[in-house]
Amino acid sequence: SQQGEEDPQALSIQEGENATMNCSYKTSINNLQWYRQNSGRGLVHLILIRSNEREKHSGRLRVTLDTSKKSSSLLITASRAADTASYFCAGQGAQKLVFGQGTRLTINP
Amino acid sequence: DTAVSQTPKYLVTQMGNDKSIKCEQNLGHDTMYWYKQDSKKFLKIMFSYNNKELIINETVPNRFSPKSPDKAHLNLHINSLELGDSAVYFCASSQAALSYNEQFFGPGTRLTVL
Repeated sequence: SQQGEEDPQALSIQEGENATMNCSYKTSINNLQWYRQNSGRGLVHLILIRSNEREKHSGRLRVTLDTSKKSSSLLITASRAADTASYFCAGQGAQKLVFGQGTRLTINP
Repeated sequence: DTAVSQTPKYLVTQMGNDKSIKCEQNLGHDTMYWYKQDSKKFLKIMFSYNNKELIINETVPNRFSPKSPDKAHLNLHINSLELGDSAVYFCASSQAALSYNEQFFGPGTRLTVL
């Protein structure tokens, strides 16, 4: 069954604004990862947060993880047009990643 | 110096045909994967190999047969193609099958079955 479910499915904001995407998952995980996919391309790993971590930063990215609520969020600050892409969360169980359907983020110039 | 490469990038074929997609990684990783991304962008794992051994085999029709001749290559052969096989297929690799490893994805192969 689908593990990650992203919310919202689509998000459109103005350049310079912050973008927040949420993810919920169903089963236990060892870590949660966020990936980015530009149109027509493969996925690119952005950040990994372990199950014993609550928050992690990488450049303009901030990820939180709440294992009690089985949810995570990805915040992109000071968005740029080049951030336009689909963003996927993926929960890692024993050996595999289970992906959600993604949030389509559009940054308007 | 592409990390994970797939061929072909596009594949258009008739129902009932047999086709193969090839994947190669030059990262020295032990584990490789095949994913299927449907028209709604849902990405689902199909198979995983660790050092040439099959370790994940999701509920996939047996028309799909992966083959790993060595740990740098993972090919996917599909027999008797059906309309529902139309999707984008992604190959990926990671350092090991254990947790805490990011996966590196290839550019995808868009398969269209007519």
